[in-house]
Amino acid sequence: GAVVSQHPSRVICKSGTSVKIECRSLDFQATTMFWYRQFPKQSLMLMATSNEGSKATYEQGVEKDKFLINHASLTLSTLTVTSAHPEDSSFYICSARAVVAVNYGYTFGSGTRLTVV
Amino acid sequence: KQEVTQIPAALSVPEGENLVLNCSFTDSAIYNLQWFRQDPGKGLTSLLLIQSSQREQTSGRLNASLDKSSGRSTLYIAASQPGDSATYLCAVSLLAGNTPLVFGKGTRLSVIA
Repeated sequence: GAVVSQHPSRVICKSGTSVKIECRSLDFQATTMFWYRQFPKQSLMLMATSNEGSKATYEQGVEKDKFLINHASLTLSTLTVTSAHPEDSSFYICSARAVVAVNYGYTFGSGTRLTVV
Repeated sequence: KQEVTQIPAALSVPEGENLVLNCSFTDSAIYNLQWFRQDPGKGLTSLLLIQSSQREQTSGRLNASLDKSSGRSTLYIAASQPGDSATYLCAVSLLAGNTPLVFGKGTRLSVIA
């Protein structure tokens, strides 16, 4: 089945540094990937839609200069949290859909727990 | 704007009970609906996907139903086990193309041995 690999699974960084999170579709091509953020005991909130070969589309309230998204190939999207601050500590998770899959369901990465100290 | 609501927010049951988790959505023009399981600190595992033209899907002890016209879906778990303890998320897809899922806040299930 469609598999999305995301890493790192956990990262702790100092305030002011940048962190890159990778999301790869392992056995399918994904022209579009989605990045979500989840705070404790909350649901997933869409941050941005990553489009291969073009600029990402950000949801209202999400700073595009702070959360840099690059989707340079059909199997890889990256999210870089720039100048991270403690309030950026959260669970980040990516998603893609293999349009050639029989069920057209969405597949999610395993998530990245970011802690900014 | 599509909104997805899940009831109850939390549920605790003894092992062996059958249970129902509820999901409702405000805009019935969905493409499909997907139920996920999320363990603490982990990613999402897809449980069942129901296309808008379908009424239900089954996988093992899980059965999901969809009433698109009334904007409701239920996830039925038979003979619950402690290993079923997790957060269950309902999400809808609005279009056939690459549009993001809209999630409910989830139901936190605890199955007590």
